[in-house]
Amino acid sequence: ETGVTQTPRHLVMGMTNKKSLKCEQHLGHNAMYWYKQSAKKPLELMFVYNFKEQTENNSVPSRFSPECPNSSHLFLHLHTLQPEDSALYLCASSPEGARPTDTQYFGPGTRLTVL
Amino acid sequence: KQEVTQIPAALSVPEGENLVLNCSFTDSAIYNLQWFRQDPGKGLTSLLLIQSSQREQTSGRLNASLDKSSGRSTLYIAASQPGDSATYLCAVRENNNAGNMLTFGGGTRLMVKP
Repeated sequence: ETGVTQTPRHLVMGMTNKKSLKCEQHLGHNAMYWYKQSAKKPLELMFVYNFKEQTENNSVPSRFSPECPNSSHLFLHLHTLQPEDSALYLCASSPEGARPTDTQYFGPGTRLTVL
Repeated sequence: KQEVTQIPAALSVPEGENLVLNCSFTDSAIYNLQWFRQDPGKGLTSLLLIQSSQREQTSGRLNASLDKSSGRSTLYIAASQPGDSATYLCAVRENNNAGNMLTFGGGTRLMVKP
């Protein structure tokens, strides 16, 4: 499989549940990103990992916990979410996180609904 | 803080029309600007990337221009087709050693009717 894949594609969870989103890239990239796209706001950067190290946390609440075990995999662990966290969560990768000339390649996203 | 605005939010045109999508940004100190296309359930696809030193980029029927001093970019789509129907997103990278971080606009949802 090529490109950036995300699982699951759709997720419905209650506010007390714990779930995880998974992203995998098959492009040999070293930087990975989590974005949130909600209905009423532009796409927002959440986290950046470069060579497995977190280099950016855009003031994201602690109920979102990212994990990057290697350069190919990125997880977003979710716990005690709120209904306003319902959104499309997009993962992206790029060759290197510190290079502004690199294009980011996006996955299809996980549509999350919090009840 | 950089803010990116896209106008119009939605656009419906008949097939064959030429059209222009607009993007504006508040801080002109950008490294580059990128246009993406988003199809339902398929994530984002990069269309064109314009460096801050460039005025325009072309790819097939698409032409993107950049006026950095006025904080504006336009995406011109020639001879529109139903397959062009999608949401078009504009994003800027700032020139502040922040690396590869994008600030997105809210997008323009385009519908091209046969």
